[in-house]
Amino acid sequence: DAKTTQPPSMDCAEGRAANLPCNHSTISGNEYVYWYRQIHSQGPQYIIHGLKNNETNEMASLIITEDRKSSTLILPHATLRDTAVYYCIVAPYNQGGKLIFGQGTELSVKP
Amino acid sequence: GAVVSQHPSWVICKSGTSVKIECRSLDFQATTMFWYRQFPKQSLMLMATSNEGSKATYEQGVEKDKFLINHASLTLSTLTVTSAHPEDSSFYICSARRDEQFFGPGTRLTVL
Repeated sequence: DAKTTQPPSMDCAEGRAANLPCNHSTISGNEYVYWYRQIHSQGPQYIIHGLKNNETNEMASLIITEDRKSSTLILPHATLRDTAVYYCIVAPYNQGGKLIFGQGTELSVKP
Repeated sequence: GAVVSQHPSWVICKSGTSVKIECRSLDFQATTMFWYRQFPKQSLMLMATSNEGSKATYEQGVEKDKFLINHASLTLSTLTVTSAHPEDSSFYICSARRDEQFFGPGTRLTVL
């Protein structure tokens, strides 16, 4: 079973920041927080991951609370092409680590 | 990011036939690949872990005799759906692990 809880859907205005929350209150010490997104009828796309520090890359920022029980993915300037289902996954970082997907958040970016 | 390809991208077959789906890591070697299935408006469900040179590990409830997995090289894993039936119609997605896990574009299987 997935170890994360996400809101089923969110809307965001184009050009504004999209903040997607995720609860993972049972996360273990060796588990990372991963974010992927899936645009309709495509394979999931890796966005970002982190352990306990905040992370930023060219796609997004990941803010992890100090107790690691929740996190927020931030898309700083959402575009229509960011409309997708966003998945928050916790998993150990190792070669054998499988990813168990929950239901995700369906983000709709509107003009 | 790393590139994972799947072939075919879509396939239509008759009930009772077998269908093979290929998953390739194009620019890296992957000792482990994963196979997922996704029904409409649902999340991805992990079916099995494909291990190069050894038997695949199947998730609970997945029939290993129906979904045959072969991982014969470090860049290729295949999933064969044997004796396919309409309820096997789904979107099949593979992934391969380099530093992060990268996913293929998926294969749409329709069984008539």
